[in-house]
Amino acid sequence: NAGVTQTPKFRVLKTGQSMTLLCAQDMNHEYMYWYRQDPGMGLRLIHYSVGEGTTAKGEVPDGYNVSRLKKQNFLLGLESAAPSQTSVYFCASRGGGGATQYFGPGTRLTVL
Amino acid sequence: AQTVTQSQPEMSVQEAETVTLSCTYDTSESDYYLFWYKQPPSRQMILVIRQEAYKQQNATENRFSVNFQKAAKSFSLKISDSQLGDAAMYFCAYRSGRGGGADGLTFGKGTHLIIQP
Repeated sequence: NAGVTQTPKFRVLKTGQSMTLLCAQDMNHEYMYWYRQDPGMGLRLIHYSVGEGTTAKGEVPDGYNVSRLKKQNFLLGLESAAPSQTSVYFCASRGGGGATQYFGPGTRLTVL
Repeated sequence: AQTVTQSQPEMSVQEAETVTLSCTYDTSESDYYLFWYKQPPSRQMILVIRQEAYKQQNATENRFSVNFQKAAKSFSLKISDSQLGDAAMYFCAYRSGRGGGADGLTFGKGTHLIIQP
């Protein structure tokens, strides 16, 4: 099993450009999450999904949109990138009950 | 909202010695989970150990153990026989046991652990 994978691993954008980050998991997990990690801070939750076709806002949702059209995929979109969105983005997934979250390798995004 | 505090931005320990990383949290819930994650320079988030709040027994995974004090809302990580490969950022994290809703992890700011050879 590949676990949780993220595409791309690195990306540089100009202010105002758009892009989509892809997260895929092969563990049949119901729950999926997007976090961002900024220097000197722990990870903060952007959006999450409790199942196919559902999404919800986390702690820092502004400027991002998400979609979960398939159970195994969770997409994070930036419609108009801003320098404040320069960060490392992590996707995670978990099964039901008290299951542990498993993280992808992260995507380093720089917005110039 | 829950908060997680790691009061030690950086810790240093000699190889083969024992080190304890501190974590406190604030919550009004009685059902929750606590985690320690390790983030090496590769930036991969690796689960070190987890603790269910309803369990009184402290979790242990090989050289890693926790001291869970529910009343004090404290969750420290002890690393015994420290190895060079233990050098990393360590994050304490909290998750509500409510389930079905906003159950993402709440993280502390991390402790940078340095292992001196």
